[in-house]
Amino acid sequence: DQQVKQNSPSLSVQEGRISILNCDYTNSMFDYFLWYKKYPAEGPTFLISISSIKDKNEDGRFTVFLNKSAKHLSLHIVPSQPGDSAVYFCAAISNSGNTPLVFGKGTRLSVIA
Amino acid sequence: NAGVMQNPRHLVRRRGQEARLRCSPMKGHSHVYWYRQLPEEGLKFMVYLQKENIIDESGMPKERFSAEFPKEGPSILRIQQVVRGDSAAYFCASSPQHSGANVLTFGAGSRLTVL
Repeated sequence: DQQVKQNSPSLSVQEGRISILNCDYTNSMFDYFLWYKKYPAEGPTFLISISSIKDKNEDGRFTVFLNKSAKHLSLHIVPSQPGDSAVYFCAAISNSGNTPLVFGKGTRLSVIA
Repeated sequence: NAGVMQNPRHLVRRRGQEARLRCSPMKGHSHVYWYRQLPEEGLKFMVYLQKENIIDESGMPKERFSAEFPKEGPSILRIQQVVRGDSAAYFCASSPQHSGANVLTFGAGSRLTVL
């Protein structure tokens, strides 16, 4: 039973346009959400996070939106750059419980020059 | 210490052999996590350890897999009598505390291939 779902395995976007990566979760106990980025042959690296008390967090070209009622979050990258091409993992955790960080299957983003 | 160090980066084993994967956490980090990524899959939690203690092993297969984080030295993930289905990338991560707000820092991973 997947608690964190990324339903789009891949996404292609033109350089300079907006990339929108989506993530849904089922566990209502999750209260902290993170996005990790992974290049081939490397480990995942932390990108941006959001607490459930917020609905938006912005860091440069990256913005994460959280819709708690829909149990949905999205990562917006604008403008997209070729160096953003990677696999993006959505992850969630419950800070009130002793649960591990749960990851989605990832979305492979390709930014085309 | 530049980050989380994992070795070996690549390991090839024949069916029935043992695989040992090592992980040195970031300096100052006392919490270690092991994740496995099967082909075309996401990262699946396996085990969470602190020094000399296994805190959560709910993601570990019941047989053939074990993990330790001794007082001295790296954390070790041990797979006995490997089978082809164990072929995967194994990632170790560390954090200073166990909390979502403390972001996990991942190593580059150890890729196990079972022939």
